[in-house]
Amino acid sequence: EVQLVESGGGLVQPGASLKLSCVASGFTFSDYWMSWVRQTPGKTMEWIGDIKYDGSYTNYAPSLKNRFTISRDNAKSTLYLQMSNVRSEDTATYYCTRVGNSYVMDAWGQGASVTVSS
Amino acid sequence: DIQMTQSPSSMSASLGDTVTITCLASQDIGNYLSWYQQKPGKSPKLMIYGATNLEDGVPSRFSGSRSGSDYSLTINSLGYDDEGIYHCHQYYEYPLTFGSGTKLEIK
Repeated sequence: EVQLVESGGGLVQPGASLKLSCVASGFTFSDYWMSWVRQTPGKTMEWIGDIKYDGSYTNYAPSLKNRFTISRDNAKSTLYLQMSNVRSEDTATYYCTRVGNSYVMDAWGQGASVTVSS
Repeated sequence: DIQMTQSPSSMSASLGDTVTITCLASQDIGNYLSWYQQKPGKSPKLMIYGATNLEDGVPSRFSGSRSGSDYSLTINSLGYDDEGIYHCHQYYEYPLTFGSGTKLEIK
């Protein structure tokens, strides 16, 4: 069974940094592109970016690329999202997703909640 | 960026009804359109991909269609289990984008 488990969320002050992790199991992690998507409290979905199966290439939403970095450790089957200089508008639930063979996000984690507030 | 205009934003329907949710793409996305179901407190679940393909395990009551830049999700024989938020998503071009979601309530 495909499983994606995010961790690292919580309450963080504006301007701080935070790193989310996503541990994958049930499939060969190194074979798949992976991505991050966030959902605002109002339930709007926003794609953050993705990373190639070997970690050699990334794509980002233009509005986030200067503050967010996606990386992966295939030996640990773990995906990361480094968030820097966070703002109140980054308050959201962050989902790790697998990009399947048809280029669609076919598996999602349970989400990690991030609240940015002083 | 490609805008996905999703409608309606919310709807209420009765058990056994048939409902249709639509997304209009601001430019050509081919068939690179998926639909997700999200139940309260849960993560999104893939229902339809490639505009018309049913994901494994999804009931055949769900179907997707395309007419030009208009994409639709139709749910037949509504049941209580179908309640939730439905999101359309284009994965044709970066940055990938989503519709604003449709909240479906079963009366």
